[in-house]
Formats: sequence, structure tokens, C-alpha cells
Amino acid sequence: QVQLQESGPGLVKPSETLSLTCTVSGGSVSSGSYYWSWIRQPPGKGLEWIGYIYYSGSTNYNPSLKSRVTISVDTSRAQFSLKLSSVTAADTAVYYCARDRTRSGYSSGWYDYWGQGTLVTVSS
Amino acid sequence: EIVMTQSPATLSVSPGERATLSCRASQSVSSNLAWYQQKPGQAPRLLIYGASTRATGIPARFSGSGSGTEFTLTISSLQSEDFAVYYCQQYNNWPITFGQGTRLEIK
Repeated sequence: QVQLQESGPGLVKPSETLSLTCTVSGGSVSSGSYYWSWIRQPPGKGLEWIGYIYYSGSTNYNPSLKSRVTISVDTSRAQFSLKLSSVTAADTAVYYCARDRTRSGYSSGWYDYWGQGTLVTVSS
Repeated sequence: EIVMTQSPATLSVSPGERATLSCRASQSVSSNLAWYQQKPGQAPRLLIYGASTRATGIPARFSGSGSGTEFTLTISSLQSEDFAVYYCQQYNNWPITFGQGTRLEIK
């Protein structure tokens, strides 16, 4: 059974960098069959796609966040990570990691496995 | 980016009745649409992809239809565990975008 687990600080100061890691078990981040994404949800609001990474290191980011986002993968540790720089209160959200399947070599775009989410609050 | 609009914002339905949720895209997304269910404190759960294909383990009472810009999620006979928030999501164009959600509540 595939499991994804987010980890990282729950409190980040304004202007600093938010860093989260997603650990994957029961499925391989080094498999070419999947893409690995970050999605966030501000409290009481809807979902926002942040970006994805492929095992090869190829990435795609939401243009609204692109200047501040870096997603990386560590296949040896079965992990992928998110860094979001220069955070403000607007970045307070539950952050989810999620998996989508490859379709004809590309991201399918729909997410069949999610982590349980981790709340990150931006506050001084 | 493509804007996804869901209606209604809140839907009140009695157990055993049918629920119909709508999702509209600001431009055509072909059949590249997914539906998710989210319960309080939980991650979204994939219900439907390809506009009408049920994900693994999803009961047959959930069905999706539509293409282009208009989509519908139908729950044929509501069970107590179906009361939740439902999101549509398009994956035809980057960035992927989600609707704002429809809250399905017990009448």
C-alpha cells in the first residue's frame, strides 16, 4: 500500500523559507510511472497546485509561485521536498504531497494518493 | 489559467436521495476533469478522473459526466459517509486548477 507522509516545521517566520519533505513508502519515487506533486489548502479554502517533480528531476511549477518555489527529489531516501521562499501570512496552509500516474510519459494530472497533510503557519 | 466554478456552494440533501453537483470550466478542458471528496481533517480522495471513470474502490453510486466546459458529479443514493466537500479539478492545461468546492450537507 502506497503511503505518503509530509514532515517539516509547523511554524515559519515571515520572509523566511518554508521547507517540507514527503517520504514515500510502498511505492518508488525513482519509478518512471509517477509524478510527485505538492498541493496546498489555506484554512477553510480551496486547493492550489504548487508543482511537481519527476524522478529524473524534471519540474513544473505554478506560475503564481514559480519565482519562490523549488521542488527536489532524493531517490535514495524515497523522498521529495518543497522549498518556498520569502513566505508571508498568505502562505499559511495545509500542505499536501500527492502522486499522479504517468500517462504516455507525461503527468496524468489526477492524484490517486495523498499524504495526510501538514499545517504550516507563517507568523512572527 | 482556467477557472473552475462549482455550483451550488452548499447542497442540502436527505440520505437516500440523489445529489447532483455541477462544475464549469472557463474554457474547454476536454474530458480532463477529476472529482475529489474531502472530509474534515482529511486529504482529498480521488473519486472520478477522465470526467467519468471511477477511481479504484469508488462505489458505483458515484458517477461523472460531461465534457468541454460543463461537468456533473451525481451521487445516486446518498449514504451518511457521503456528506463532505467535493472539488472538481481540471488537468487539461497547466497550471492545474481546482474549483472552490461544493459542501454536501444533510437535509
